[in-house]
Amino acid sequence: NAGVMQNPRHLVRRRGQEARLRCSPMKGHSHVYWYRQLPEEGLKFMVYLQKENIIDESGMPKERFSAEFPKEGPSILRIQQVVRGDSAAYFCASSPLETGIGGTQYFGPGTRLTVL
Amino acid sequence: AQSVSQHNHHVILSEAASLELGCNYSYGGTVNLFWYVQYPGQHLQLLLKYFSGDPLVKGIKGFEAEFIKSKFSFNLRKPSVQWSDTAEYFCAVKDGGATNKLIFGTGTLLAVQP
Repeated sequence: NAGVMQNPRHLVRRRGQEARLRCSPMKGHSHVYWYRQLPEEGLKFMVYLQKENIIDESGMPKERFSAEFPKEGPSILRIQQVVRGDSAAYFCASSPLETGIGGTQYFGPGTRLTVL
Repeated sequence: AQSVSQHNHHVILSEAASLELGCNYSYGGTVNLFWYVQYPGQHLQLLLKYFSGDPLVKGIKGFEAEFIKSKFSFNLRKPSVQWSDTAEYFCAVKDGGATNKLIFGTGTLLAVQP
């Protein structure tokens, strides 16, 4: 059973460009979470999605950031007009259920975004 | 809002030493608690979790953690560390709201010297 897949693993962008980060959840998982890890900090929640629905985006910056989880295909985290402060590791996690032990989140390898 | 504190930011131990990493969360009620490990260059892996029942939880690779409700703590322990335990360790609590997002501590970087 393949784990959570993220690509690319490393992404370099210049200021003002767009960054697209992809996450394919584990097979059978319909809940996707995105987290950001800034240097020297722990992971911070960004957004929680189910298929075709954004359930909680309370951790997303108000501008330039968006996320989707379409009916088919991976979840996408999109950052428009990137700035140096967006440089971080972005982790995706998936779970089969919301609550209880089935709600345990399994993490992907992360995408390390560097903004020049 | 719920928060998680990890008091040890950097820990250096010799092989075979015992390990205890502290983790405290901010408020009670029903909590789900986790320890994740991130080996150098790798993604987060689940070490162990507590949902209910026996407050002493056994995880992978010889790790265990004890949930002490009165102290709002969930400390991670291992009786004898190995060089391969060198990694960053994150404590997390599941937010009690509708979305069950995880609230992470800032992590503890463990270096085990051979």
